[in-house]
Amino acid sequence: EAGVAQSPRYKIIEKRQSVAFWCNPISGHATLYWYQQILGQGPKLLIQFQNNGVVDDSQLPKDRFSAERLKGVDSTLKIQPAKLEDSAVYLCASSNGGFRGGELFFGEGSRLTVL
Amino acid sequence: DQQVKQNSPSLSVQEGRISILNCDYTNSMFDYFLWYKKYPAEGPTFLISISSIKDKNEDGRFTVFLNKSAKHLSLHIVPSQPGDSAVYFCAASSNNAGNMLTFGGGTRLMVKP
Repeated sequence: EAGVAQSPRYKIIEKRQSVAFWCNPISGHATLYWYQQILGQGPKLLIQFQNNGVVDDSQLPKDRFSAERLKGVDSTLKIQPAKLEDSAVYLCASSNGGFRGGELFFGEGSRLTVL
Repeated sequence: DQQVKQNSPSLSVQEGRISILNCDYTNSMFDYFLWYKKYPAEGPTFLISISSIKDKNEDGRFTVFLNKSAKHLSLHIVPSQPGDSAVYFCAASSNNAGNMLTFGGGTRLMVKP
């Protein structure tokens, strides 16, 4: 079974530029998450989708971050304009929703460096 | 406001000995706890979980203990192996927050041969 796919793996941009990350979850997984992991910290949830609807985006900085999950499968996370403090690994995860507490399956992450 | 804390950023253990990783939480609504393991350049992978109705859950070399009154959980690895060297995150969720997980900051475990 293929895992969660993310791209690009690495991205370096200058502040005020924009960037987009793509995620393809495990086939059949209805729930998709985007997490931000800053160096030395644990992952922090940015947004959670159930199919193509948003369940929780309370920690998403909506003035610069946006995410969508068209057709309830792939998802894109966009940052525009980027700030220095956005440098982090962006992790996508998916689950089939049937495991209380969320046994999440994570992708390898997209590492963003903002200069 | 860190609701889940791992106060030890790193831990070094000799191969064959016990590794004990600790985690504290402040939110009394948390009722499900998990441990994830992360190797460099990879995403976290699920290791073991425990519900608040239990105080212990065991899976092979890994055991998680939960002390609800102290709001503390720990992960024991016995015996520790060099392949266990990784960053370990504890995470917690509450029934009224669906599958939303709150993670601790992680503890880097180094198992020396």
